[in-house]
Amino acid sequence: DVKVTQSSRYLVKRTGEKVFLECVQDMDHENMFWYRQDPGLGLRLIYFSYDVKMKEKGDIPEGYSVSREKKERFSLILESASTNQTSMYLCASFAGGLAASPRSPSYIRGGEQYFGPGTRLTVT
Amino acid sequence: RKEVEQDPGPFNVPEGATVAFNCTYSNSASQSFFWYRQDCRKEPKLLMSVYSSGNEDGRFTAQLNRASQYISLLIRDSKLSDSATYLCAVNIRGRDDKIIFGKGTRLHILP
Repeated sequence: DVKVTQSSRYLVKRTGEKVFLECVQDMDHENMFWYRQDPGLGLRLIYFSYDVKMKEKGDIPEGYSVSREKKERFSLILESASTNQTSMYLCASFAGGLAASPRSPSYIRGGEQYFGPGTRLTVT
Repeated sequence: RKEVEQDPGPFNVPEGATVAFNCTYSNSASQSFFWYRQDCRKEPKLLMSVYSSGNEDGRFTAQLNRASQYISLLIRDSKLSDSATYLCAVNIRGRDDKIIFGKGTRLHILP
């Protein structure tokens, strides 16, 4: 079974703090994602990565950055936490599509995703 | 029209009944479709992929209607443990491959 773990289940930080959320997957997946989930807004993609040291912005990247130094680990960084970043943060991984290269037209990016347990972050 | 839409519910259904809900998508270039289940305060978990020919897994049946641009999930003989939020996900092909999740449909199975 795929296992995706996140460093913390609950986290409380103060406004202005730098926050690191860590995600590790053990299935050698190329693709990893960070989402936030808020009531009434559903899952929103923050950033994703399809390879080591590669990253791409999702729908709401403002106020966040990411790091992927190793294939199994994808970190989300809140440079200066704000109260509107209070949310549930979910990491996910995905093996890949029909072709090896994400630039291939047949590549399917992000289908059968496996989620970590989530980190509920409160910024006060 | 939103890219992926679901009726938020809640659907309150007696145990043993059959329940079905749909998920509509707006982009005809959508290629892949999925249903996820999310329990309260837990992460989403893949329930099933949705194939063009439809697929069935035990009490669960997923269908794709490309002409009308929706997918459906049917649950037969519902159990109390089926109570959850069901998210649909659609992979949209194009210059920016991405997967879009619906906001989910809440299902409550009543004893």
